[in-house]
Amino acid sequence: GIQVEQSPPDLILQEGANSTLRCNFSDSVNNLQWFHQNPWGQLINLFYIPSGTKQNGRLSATTVATERYSLLYISSSQTTDSGVYFCAVGRSGSARQLTFGSGTQLTVLP
Amino acid sequence: DGGITQSPKYLFRKEGQNVTLSCEQNLNHDAMYWYRQDPGQGLRLIYYSQIVNDFQKGDIAEGYSVSREKKESFPLTVTSAQKNPTAFYLCASSIQGSSGNQPQHFGDGTRLSIL
Repeated sequence: GIQVEQSPPDLILQEGANSTLRCNFSDSVNNLQWFHQNPWGQLINLFYIPSGTKQNGRLSATTVATERYSLLYISSSQTTDSGVYFCAVGRSGSARQLTFGSGTQLTVLP
Repeated sequence: DGGITQSPKYLFRKEGQNVTLSCEQNLNHDAMYWYRQDPGQGLRLIYYSQIVNDFQKGDIAEGYSVSREKKESFPLTVTSAQKNPTAFYLCASSIQGSSGNQPQHFGDGTRLSIL
């Protein structure tokens, strides 16, 4: 099956700093989503971005499908950004299932 | 408000007992999914359903069963055959788009523990 690798596995930032999270995948995809899992376990949809670039406030994402990677940018980080960030992909031609990476644990310090 | 409701939030199971986790959505989505999350890991697919009265096994279906009698509901039963059921269970749903892939939306999850 498709492999999804996220880096870095852990990231500690001071409040106000910027960061870039990366997601590499091993096959062509036509679904890619970024999620934020908060300390209570809720999975929050950040972006649906199988290709291109999107921005939502302090967050933006870019997917280069031909090179099989996606980047999530967090600017001016806040303590509420802490949690685990997951990348999940759906493969072209397959059923509508998502394969998740192992996540990036982000801790933003005040 | 439209959304996905999972219940209960916490569930305890005795050895040898079957338990059923509820997932209801009012988003009018065709497809529904069950995932399992173990500590420090990503989500893994248990079962999915693209239409009423039809469902397919995911990557880790052994020890689980599902039904899809209504579009809004996709309950998951954790059977006694599942030897390590302690985990966080998440339900999701999505539209069946013509492209075949649409974003999935998740409920708040059920934490299952063994007594």
